[in-house]
Amino acid sequence: DAKTTQPPSMDCAEGRAANLPCNHSTISGNEYVYWYRQIHSQGPQYIIHGLKNNETNEMASLIITEDRKSSTLILPHATLRDTAVYYCIAAYNTDKLIFGTGTRLQVFP
Amino acid sequence: EAGVTQSPTHLIKTRGQQATLRCSPISGHTSVYWYQQALGLGLQFLLWYDEGEERNRGNFPPRFSGRQFPNYSSELNVNALELEDSALYLCASSLGGATDTQYFGPGTRLTVL
Repeated sequence: DAKTTQPPSMDCAEGRAANLPCNHSTISGNEYVYWYRQIHSQGPQYIIHGLKNNETNEMASLIITEDRKSSTLILPHATLRDTAVYYCIAAYNTDKLIFGTGTRLQVFP
Repeated sequence: EAGVTQSPTHLIKTRGQQATLRCSPISGHTSVYWYQQALGLGLQFLLWYDEGEERNRGNFPPRFSGRQFPNYSSELNVNALELEDSALYLCASSLGGATDTQYFGPGTRLTVL
């Protein structure tokens, strides 16, 4: 599975869009990009995943560059409850997800 | 629809004892995964069970073992507990396909004294 690189931390004002970047320059053609988040000491929560097309659901949008070497998770209107560690994972077989260190997003009032 | 459930929420053991952690997957899911998250560290893959069989194993010693029952629930057993086994143990389930999304439970916090 491809390695992903994320900034260790980001801040976002409540109500603004949070844009979380992820680099996966070695991703292969059949690997999906998954996003999870983990609120303090809870189980990771699935957010969204995609292969090469942009995806949107009720939680977030996922923008994948045309060359698939990077992606951005967008939380359109961040709230205080979105404060969490966000993990970007590139994987084909989801038999084992490899979690990196993620991005700690702090949403402030 | 109920999510993944785990029991107990907290477990305190002493060094050398055995711990048993339980997981019930989302209804209809046949795959169960176990992860360990030690304090301040990332999630580490432990085991994957599907249709009652162990399909994959992470880089953990044999004293970490488990099983999956006919109703797809699962147990994780940790023998000869060591202090460094103290961690949050997370269970996830999926429909069982190679690219199916994993959904996580709330975890069991194991403390080894």
